[in-house]
Amino acid sequence: DTAVSQTPKYLVTQMGNDKSIKCEQNLGHDTMYWYKQDSKKFLKIMFSYNNKELIINETVPNRFSPKSPDKAHLNLHINSLELGDSAVYFCASSLSPGGRLYFGPGTRLTVT
Amino acid sequence: GQQVMQIPQYQHVQEGEDFTTYCNSSTTLSNIQWYKQRPGGHPVFLIQLVKSGEVKKQKRLTFQFGEAKKNSSLHITATQTTDVGTYFCAGPRDSGYALNFGKGTSLLVTP
Repeated sequence: DTAVSQTPKYLVTQMGNDKSIKCEQNLGHDTMYWYKQDSKKFLKIMFSYNNKELIINETVPNRFSPKSPDKAHLNLHINSLELGDSAVYFCASSLSPGGRLYFGPGTRLTVT
Repeated sequence: GQQVMQIPQYQHVQEGEDFTTYCNSSTTLSNIQWYKQRPGGHPVFLIQLVKSGEVKKQKRLTFQFGEAKKNSSLHITATQTTDVGTYFCAGPRDSGYALNFGKGTSLLVTP
């Protein structure tokens, strides 16, 4: 059983489009995150939710909007995609905020 | 805010040689975690260190947490090709609500 799953695995789209990435965890964790990994492999926190409540909202453009319909799901919607949004987006979960992270397989987003 | 610095950025070794990556924080950490990311994969948790001066071993991997809880290291003895990947340290953010990652050390092992 996959603990943290993300869809899609790859996403190729043109500038200006809107896209969504979905994440689900079956670990019963309370906390979920979105991390962005750039081409230099730097992992940067974007958002964190605890019990469906937003607890971290980094300096991310407001084109990025996370949504947590329930504790097991955290989706990421991106409006008006730009070239600089190209990266790998990782969803992760932990039992509690700041705890050991379980990462999903990642979504490689390429904006052309 | 709290930052985690990691060096070196890259390391290329011959199989059988040892490898060490170092992590330094600008502030005292309550704990430090280490992750490994294989090429094309996702980060996978290796270990968490909590106590000042703590040393933990996992087979050929030795993890240390400094006395002041501001630095840590990962040492691999006699590297193998299966050790290839990027090793990240991570410490809690000031709020404690998430982890800040170091920039990682990419290890390449040549047979």
